[in-house]
Amino acid sequence: DVKVTQSSRYLVKRTGEKVFLECVQDMDHENMFWYRQDPGLGLRLIYFSYDVKMKEKGDIPEGYSVSREKKERFSLILESASTNQTSMYLCASSFRGAQNIQYFGAGTRLSVL
Amino acid sequence: RKEVEQDPGPFNVPEGATVAFNCTYSNSASQSFFWYRQDCRKEPKLLMSVYSSGNEDGRFTAQLNRASQYISLLIRDSKLSDSATYLCVVNGGGNKLVFGAGTILRVKS
Repeated sequence: DVKVTQSSRYLVKRTGEKVFLECVQDMDHENMFWYRQDPGLGLRLIYFSYDVKMKEKGDIPEGYSVSREKKERFSLILESASTNQTSMYLCASSFRGAQNIQYFGAGTRLSVL
Repeated sequence: RKEVEQDPGPFNVPEGATVAFNCTYSNSASQSFFWYRQDCRKEPKLLMSVYSSGNEDGRFTAQLNRASQYISLLIRDSKLSDSATYLCVVNGGGNKLVFGAGTILRVKS
């Protein structure tokens, strides 16, 4: 069974803090993705990576950065957290040739106060 | 205009009912189409792909109408366990999937 693990289920941070969200997958997938999910807006792609040290901006990259130093790990960084970044963050992974079949982690609910 | 639009619902149906969800997409160049399912407080999971010829998986039938840019999901003989949010998903090219906001289904006994 594919496992995508996100480091925290719930996180509370203060405005201006630097926040790290970690994601690890155990299926040797090339592609990894970070989304945020908000009511009425669905999942929106923040960044994705198709290989180690490679990254591509998604639809809403502003205020975020990512790091992929190892194939199995993809980190999302909020350089200076703001209240409008309060959301559910979902990590996903897929094989390069099967990018339509994405496996998701359980999500991190981030609250920025 | 959103790239993928769905009726948010909720659809409240009794067990055994047939229910249909619709979805429209705006990018006529979209190539691949899917339905994902998301249970309450859980992660999305692929339910089924959608093909031009239509496809069926047990009680679930998915249809695609490219001319109208419209996708549907039909669930027959609804079960309590079908209660979830159903996400319409479109691949417009490359590695990116575009997700609709989801349709909530509640099946009641």
